[in-house]
Amino acid sequence: LAKTTQPISMDSYEGQEVNITCSHNNIATNDYITWYQQFPSQGPRFIIQGYKTKVTNEVASLFIPADRKSSTLSLPRVSLSDTAVYYCLVVEYGNKLVFGAGTILRVKS
Amino acid sequence: EPEVTQTPSHQVTQMGQEVILRCVPISNHLYFYWYRQILGQKVEFLVSFYNNEISEKSEIFDDQFSVERPDGSNFTLKIRSTKLEDSAMYFCASSSTMAETQYFGPGTRLLVL
Repeated sequence: LAKTTQPISMDSYEGQEVNITCSHNNIATNDYITWYQQFPSQGPRFIIQGYKTKVTNEVASLFIPADRKSSTLSLPRVSLSDTAVYYCLVVEYGNKLVFGAGTILRVKS
Repeated sequence: EPEVTQTPSHQVTQMGQEVILRCVPISNHLYFYWYRQILGQKVEFLVSFYNNEISEKSEIFDDQFSVERPDGSNFTLKIRSTKLEDSAMYFCASSSTMAETQYFGPGTRLLVL
């Protein structure tokens, strides 16, 4: 399973764009990249998933360069309610999810 | 929007007692999972289940654990004889196919005294 590395924590202010980068140097051809968000005492919530280039949905964008050795989750105009732990996962087709420690994002007013 | 539900939200039990944690996966999903998260630690995979069989299990999922889909809607995790170290949040997840996104429930907080 490809190991991921992401910052332990990040601070931001309301209204700013937040970019969280994850490195996954030994990602395999069949792996795809998934991001989850978790609030305290709640289950992980799916944010976005991609294989290459750029994916955008109503809450975030995911940028994946051609070599796929890293990915960046972009949250536009964060609010206080975006304070949470964000997990980058590299998932092999059909495999279990392996969570790391994630990035604690603190949004301040 | 369909969601995974779990009951109870909290469970307190005495060491050595049996507990059953219940999950109702999203209705058209076929793949089911249990994860756990000890306070302050990572989310850990326990077991995956498809077509009434365990597909994969982790080292954590020892003989004290079992899973069952007793009917068309529920998916349960049983811990036969709880230990103090079983205290954790237990999350159920489901996906429509093996390759699709796993959606998590809100969790059951289990406290073993």
